[in-house]
Amino acid sequence: NAGVTQTPKFRVLKTGQSMTLLCAQDMNHEYMYWYRQDPGMGLRLIHYSVGEGTTAKGEVPDGYNVSRLKKQNFLLGLESAAPSQTSVYFCASRGGDLSANSPLHFGNGTRLTVT
Amino acid sequence: SQQGEEDPQALSIQEGENATMNCSYKTSINNLQWYRQNSGRGLVHLILIRSNEREKHSGRLRVTLDTSKKSSSLLITASRAADTASYFCATDTTGRRALTFGSGTRLQVQP
Repeated sequence: NAGVTQTPKFRVLKTGQSMTLLCAQDMNHEYMYWYRQDPGMGLRLIHYSVGEGTTAKGEVPDGYNVSRLKKQNFLLGLESAAPSQTSVYFCASRGGDLSANSPLHFGNGTRLTVT
Repeated sequence: SQQGEEDPQALSIQEGENATMNCSYKTSINNLQWYRQNSGRGLVHLILIRSNEREKHSGRLRVTLDTSKKSSSLLITASRAADTASYFCATDTTGRRALTFGSGTRLQVQP
């Protein structure tokens, strides 16, 4: 059981380049999330999805787009990378309905550097 | 701003000692969760405490919740070098569909 898988693990981009981060989960979870983690700031929510075909903005959505075409996949896109987007990106998923008090399952992150 | 704020930011103890981390939050919650992150890895769920619970145990972990003070604490008893990690609290609030994380406590357990 792989859980939540993120690809790639590492990436270096030049300013202005674009890329897509892929998150895949095999637990049939409805909810999926993208967070970024910066030193001393904990995790901040970028975008999330409550089901296939749905997406919503989190705390820091600017500069990012997402898509959830299939239930098991949640893609995070950077259209024109900026140095401020240098960070570690984590995908997470959770199952059940929100009243079930379910925990998040995290991938191991993508470390992105924008030069 | 962060919903959850951990205190202290960093903690260094000797193996065998107890480690206590605190979390304060601002709004009413459904539950509060604690996660652990080893260096270079994703977060792993440790324990969840519901808003109507005051204390919960899981192995060497003890979590308390005081909703009147909007605070929680995580106690790790008889710590081991392998407990060295960052620990985050996260709050689950009504109407939000995502957890809000604090900035974490870095725990170093010296062998």
